Amino acid sequence: DIQMTQSPSSLSASVGDRVTITCRASQGINNYLAWYQQKPGKVPKLLIYVASTLQSGVPSRFSGSGSGTDFTLTISSLQPEDVASYYCQNYDSVPLTFGGGTKVEIK
Amino acid sequence: EVQLVESGGVLVQPGGSLRVSCAASGFTFSRHYMHWVRQAPGKGLVWVSRINGDGSHPEYADFVKGRFTISRDNAKNTVHLQMDSLRAEDTAVYHCVREKYYNLDVWGEGTTVTVSS
Repeated sequence: DIQMTQSPSSLSASVGDRVTITCRASQGINNYLAWYQQKPGKVPKLLIYVASTLQSGVPSRFSGSGSGTDFTLTISSLQPEDVASYYCQNYDSVPLTFGGGTKVEIK
Repeated sequence: EVQLVESGGVLVQPGGSLRVSCAASGFTFSRHYMHWVRQAPGKGLVWVSRINGDGSHPEYADFVKGRFTISRDNAKNTVHLQMDSLRAEDTAVYHCVREKYYNLDVWGEGTTVTVSS
């Protein structure tokens, strides 16, 4: 099974800061990597798929990059409404494993 | 409007069985793989199972293989998860999710399964 390792597990940043979350796969996943946002008490929401394609309706301050085994989710200017947990997901092969999550808070 | 509505979650004893269901609407159901993803209280997302459009190819996470069975009824736009030999660690909210091109793009609110004596 492919293991997905996210870091950090939590972070605190100021409004307007650039925030970076990393996700490492235990083997290459052909860029089949998705990112999800889950706000407190809410259902997960798709942000990015195939590593860098922004889902329709997602603000452009979110971006994804990376290839092979190392991937990054960037929020270019953190906003109060971005407080949430973020998860990466391997979409290359079953089981479609998720990373452990990164909790983002406002400082 | 695209919608997924889960049902069937209850309190069940360890070793027991339960079937949760998901009713889909607002899209051509048979064209999409459908998934179940669970989330234990205060924990992260865990992929459980998926099934292809015609129901011929179910797939499972190792920790449910042999205990859970996914199925679908395209005439009724529903997907089911039959859960047998339930354990305390199966306690979670179970989300029904639609797949679209290498991602999970529509999520249901979930149904809560509690396994406890």
